[in-house]
Amino acid sequence: GAGVSQSPSNKVTEKGKDVELRCDPISGHTALYWYRQRLGQGLEFLIYFQGNSAPDKSGLPSDRFSAERTGESVSTLTIQRTQQEDSAVYLCASSLAGTGDRGYTFGSGTRLTVV
Amino acid sequence: KNQVEQSPQSLIILEGKNCTLQCNYTVSPFSNLRWYKQDTGRGPVSLTIMTFSENTKSNGRYTATLDADTKQSSLHITASQLSDSASYICVVSAHAAGNKLTFGGGTRVLVKP
Repeated sequence: GAGVSQSPSNKVTEKGKDVELRCDPISGHTALYWYRQRLGQGLEFLIYFQGNSAPDKSGLPSDRFSAERTGESVSTLTIQRTQQEDSAVYLCASSLAGTGDRGYTFGSGTRLTVV
Repeated sequence: KNQVEQSPQSLIILEGKNCTLQCNYTVSPFSNLRWYKQDTGRGPVSLTIMTFSENTKSNGRYTATLDADTKQSSLHITASQLSDSASYICVVSAHAAGNKLTFGGGTRVLVKP
């Protein structure tokens, strides 16, 4: 596609429920990142996929968070037993390579509200 | 610890005026520095990317500077427009650590008519 697509754009869920967020990166982009942005705060790194390498999960805040990516395509971020502090905008970004010298393209994010 | 600090946190300017945003970083080893514009409800969009050897880079009315010795960058907005109202985020990448980006907290700019 022309850009990074995220779905849903908005999600309201009850505390304790599981949610799944989806990211479609730009075709051919081997690197994919998930970030979290709480209201009024900066972006927080969650997880990084690069090709078929083992993902860097060092930013995941708890074992309730997990993410998968099949090859170089779609990624899903799953939050189990959601808590109110999980409310945030979840942003996905992709790039051609993980060298740090390529441009990153961000999706518009999924706004998650846990009530 | 890699850190990126931005100032001011927020800024109100009148349409047509200029403004300058600051970014200080401690990321090492430095790879590159990006300025992003993030409109409300949207993902960040890249304005400029600068490597170690670049001092100045422009993108329309946006001009970024980089002083790799003092580890400081600035983003200058010339002749501001209402559409410039957004958050501006400074992002620094290191050569190592899987190239995870280190984000500043952003400067929220509001341009008033």
